[in-house]
Amino acid sequence: GAGVSQTPSNKVTEKGKYVELRCDPISGHTALYWYRQSLGQGPEFLIYFQGTGAADDSGLPNDRFFAVRPEGSVSTLKIQRTERGDSAVYLCASSPTRLAGGSDTQYFGPGTRLTVL
Amino acid sequence: GQNIDQPTEMTATEGAIVQINCTYQTSGFNGLFWYQQHAGEAPTFLSYNVLDGLEEKGRFSSFLSRSKGYSYLLLKELQMKDSASYLCAVILYSTLTFGKGTMLLVSP
Repeated sequence: GAGVSQTPSNKVTEKGKYVELRCDPISGHTALYWYRQSLGQGPEFLIYFQGTGAADDSGLPNDRFFAVRPEGSVSTLKIQRTERGDSAVYLCASSPTRLAGGSDTQYFGPGTRLTVL
Repeated sequence: GQNIDQPTEMTATEGAIVQINCTYQTSGFNGLFWYQQHAGEAPTFLSYNVLDGLEEKGRFSSFLSRSKGYSYLLLKELQMKDSASYLCAVILYSTLTFGKGTMLLVSP
């Protein structure tokens, strides 16, 4: 079956611009996660959705970052006034249900490589 | 705070066995995952441990000791395609906290 997909695969933008990154989770997965991965580092948690609501957004670095999942499926990560330090690979993952106390695995998409010039 | 440590790099020879260690100090614990990540690709799931002991899955095995805050991933009969980054991650509530990853290079 289809895995997690992310678009675009690459995004180059200029400092100060606005970008949107899209994630299509595995069909039927209720939980969706966004992570950010810098070169030589492990993925860093940003935000987690259970259904349509953001259950945990404690990883968002500041108020320039925002994410939505209006229909409980596709999610969009939005970054305003981009800065060079935002350059990274943005990974999306989904799982059948929330992980706490359970063993549901997170399945990752290929990521969007964001470069801010 | 959360602290997950694993070696930065390891090298091994095709056909050999390699053990990648991971130690963690976290404010809570609901389980530990190992992921494999090839350059430019998504992390892919390898194993999950929530109880102490060894989980075996083909050429890959993972061990957990919760009292020691320690896990390892054991790769047997190494193949060239096993060259990748191996990520240790602790699950707390609903989110994963990852280590920096161990880059494994398998040589002929």
